[in-house]
Amino acid sequence: DVKVTQSSRYLVKRTGEKVFLECVQDMDHENMFWYRQDPGLGLRLIYFSYDVKMKEKGDIPEGYSVSREKKERFSLILESASTNQTSMYLCASSFILGQTGANVLTFGAGSRLTVL
Amino acid sequence: GNSVTQMEGPVTLSEEAFLTINCTYTATGYPSLFWYVQYPGEGLQLLLKATKADDKGSNKGFEATYRKETTSFHLEKGSVQVSDSAVYFCALSVYTGNQFYFGTGTSLTVIP
Repeated sequence: DVKVTQSSRYLVKRTGEKVFLECVQDMDHENMFWYRQDPGLGLRLIYFSYDVKMKEKGDIPEGYSVSREKKERFSLILESASTNQTSMYLCASSFILGQTGANVLTFGAGSRLTVL
Repeated sequence: GNSVTQMEGPVTLSEEAFLTINCTYTATGYPSLFWYVQYPGEGLQLLLKATKADDKGSNKGFEATYRKETTSFHLEKGSVQVSDSAVYFCALSVYTGNQFYFGTGTSLTVIP
């Protein structure tokens, strides 16, 4: 089974701190994603990466940056955490399903961040 | 553009009741359609998928049929269990794209 591992399930940080959320996938997937999940808003894409050192902004990139130095690892960085970044963060990777060309997402367990 | 609209929740059912969660979509091109499930405190797990019109995805007693004519992908289960309590997300991806589009999720609670 594909595994997407998020290193921290729960974090509590203070306003202004720099926060790193780490994500590792073990199936050699090209694409990796960071989503934010908030009640009533569903999933919102922050950034995605389609190759090492490549990244694309999603719908809500402000206040975030990402790093992909190795294919299996995709990090989300909050340069200066703020209370409105308290949320559940979901990492995912994707692969192409056979001849259909369909992209299938596999998610990690999530990292719940609280910023005080 | 591409979007997914799914039934508002929350939904509460008794054990062994029939479940339907409606999902409709708009898409450019030829989308693949998915249902994901999220159990409390967890990430999303792929429940089932369908990659072309008239395909039926199925898993763990859940089914959904890709209906191009009605642009729908409704999730159904004949007899729900307490363990099915979760949030269900309908989603689509467009061929050749790296973008996924999710509905806002429908919370299901099954009571004994």
